[in-house]
Amino acid sequence: GQNIDQPTEMTATEGAIVQINCTYQTSGFNGLFWYQQHAGEAPTFLSYNVLDGLEEKGRFSSFLSRSKGYSYLLLKELQMKDSASYLCAVIPGGYNKLIFGAGTRLAVHP
Amino acid sequence: ETGVTQSPTHLIKTRGQQVTLRCSSQSGHNTVSWYQQALGQGPQFIFQYYREEENGRGNFPPRFSGLQFPNYSSELNVNALELDDSALYLCASSHPGQRNSPLHFGNGTRLTVT
Repeated sequence: GQNIDQPTEMTATEGAIVQINCTYQTSGFNGLFWYQQHAGEAPTFLSYNVLDGLEEKGRFSSFLSRSKGYSYLLLKELQMKDSASYLCAVIPGGYNKLIFGAGTRLAVHP
Repeated sequence: ETGVTQSPTHLIKTRGQQVTLRCSSQSGHNTVSWYQQALGQGPQFIFQYYREEENGRGNFPPRFSGLQFPNYSSELNVNALELDDSALYLCASSHPGQRNSPLHFGNGTRLTVT
């Protein structure tokens, strides 16, 4: 089967750093995406990892370990607007079908 | 560059009815996917269309069907609606020729079945 696990909820303080973890067990692996979704809006693309290591993009970084079936999204210098759901998604096969986790709701407090 | 647009934004239907949701893909994208997102859950893959043909299907019954048109726009049809079909339906397009290119999502259609 296909399984992607991430924490349901997290809270953090404005200006701080937060790490959102994702573990996956899928029939194959062709890459991992992180998406941000504000309430009532479309998911928006944040990052893509297919090789082990860290990808940095401004305040956001994403890490992948394929041998451990593990990824994390790191958000630095948190802002109130970062309050949203963060979705981890894996491409298990040869075409662009994503398997999503249930998402992590992040609340950023002043 | 025009993004992915979906219509309608909200829809209320009665159990047993049929519904058609529409999607215009981002300019230059010839692959369209549909996802169902229940409240508090991640999106679930319904199916994908590439050059007007179904190119993969998730674990959804045959009463979920789709079409893609020559201009790459797409429709999702759901027959014999059930209460559990109430969800946000997301359309996503991706760039051709780029393996594992990120999906670009529309804002979705919120379907309520009563």
